[in-house]
Amino acid sequence: DTEVTQTPKHLVMGMTNKKSLKCEQHMGHRAMYWYKQKAKKPPELMFVYSYEKLSINESVPSRFSPECPNSSLLNLHLHALQPEDSALYLCASGGQGAYTQYFGPGTRLTVL
Amino acid sequence: AQSVTQLDSQVPVFEEAPVELRCNYSSSVSVYLFWYVQYPNQGLQLLLKYLSGSTLVKGINGFEAEFNKSQTSFHLRKPSVHISDTAEYFCAVTQNYNQGGKLIFGQGTELSVKP
Repeated sequence: DTEVTQTPKHLVMGMTNKKSLKCEQHMGHRAMYWYKQKAKKPPELMFVYSYEKLSINESVPSRFSPECPNSSLLNLHLHALQPEDSALYLCASGGQGAYTQYFGPGTRLTVL
Repeated sequence: AQSVTQLDSQVPVFEEAPVELRCNYSSSVSVYLFWYVQYPNQGLQLLLKYLSGSTLVKGINGFEAEFNKSQTSFHLRKPSVHISDTAEYFCAVTQNYNQGGKLIFGQGTELSVKP
């Protein structure tokens, strides 16, 4: 089973809202990732958690706040976003074999 | 620093024809290489990967790729494409694997299969 699940599938929020994206995997992987993808572009790495600790932060603005409650769950808390933050947000988990990454279906975020 | 170059941004091809999507990488260390496919409005699906061993790697959906260290290439091939192969294809390399791994992606190749 190589399934990574993400909720919600779609999210529309105003610039003053607070919302959260959720990601879950049950493959026993010890690394989890958040990526942001704009249309017609490759995914851009935002954060990496390795063994439940934040190991890479790609200089992401503080309005994005990641959280890893346990080895199966990854959250991305959103606050005071800008319209340019509208994108597809992808979660991935990394396992054996050089942390081969498996992606979820993504959350399509629209900021009004 | 590692980087990935996908040499074609768009590849149009007729159904049942062969296709090759080209990928070159630069790295000063050993690499792990991946191809992902993304269908419209979906996440990325792993097609195949090269970690070590045989340089010819077979993946899902009839795709294969060959790792060529001397030419720093990892081209993706399929002998006969279907309409359903229409999608965006990304080549990627891993770095920072002691921190959990970081995928460096190419810019993507849009494969368009026409009847």
